[in-house]
Amino acid sequence: DVKVTQSSRYLVKRTGEKVFLECVQDMDHENMFWYRQDPGLGLRLIYFSYDVKMKEKGDIPEGYSVSREKKERFSLILESASTNQTSMYLCASSAWRGDKYEQYFGPGTRLTVT
Amino acid sequence: TQLLEQSPQFLSIQEGENLTVYCNSSSVFSSLQWYRQEPGEGPVLLVTVVTGGEVKKLKRLTFQFGDARKDSSLHITAAQPGDTGLYLCAGVGTYKYIFGTGTRLKVLA
Repeated sequence: DVKVTQSSRYLVKRTGEKVFLECVQDMDHENMFWYRQDPGLGLRLIYFSYDVKMKEKGDIPEGYSVSREKKERFSLILESASTNQTSMYLCASSAWRGDKYEQYFGPGTRLTVT
Repeated sequence: TQLLEQSPQFLSIQEGENLTVYCNSSSVFSSLQWYRQEPGEGPVLLVTVVTGGEVKKLKRLTFQFGDARKDSSLHITAAQPGDTGLYLCAGVGTYKYIFGTGTRLKVLA
């Protein structure tokens, strides 16, 4: 079974703090993703990576950066947390399987910025 | 921007009823996936449909991909309380996924 783990389930940070969210997958997947999920807005892609040290901006990259130094690990960084970054953050990984991509999610990190 | 519209947004039904959730787009996707998400958890992949017109069954759940690969439906037969959750469709492009807005289903015992 694919396993995607995230470093924290719940996190409370203060405005202006630097925040690191870590994600690890154990299936040797090439692609990894960071999304945020907000009521009424669905899942929105922040950044994705299709290889080590490669990254691409998603739909809402402002205020975020990412790091992928190893294939299994993809980190999301909030350089200076703000209250509008309070959200559920979901990491996912995917790989090509024959005739399709299959994507698997971690359990999510609920971040509150006060 | 590609969009995936899901309908209905909310659905509350009695145990044993049937239901259908729709996922529509103006864009063509190479494949389409359906997920179920429970509160406080990440989405869990249910199925991937690849070929236009394809039908896949997962116990009481039937998934169909439109002939033109722009839309999909999820039909649940004899819904049970365990089916309660948020159902998401996602269109798959190169590397990236476009998610629908979700259908929140509640099945009452």
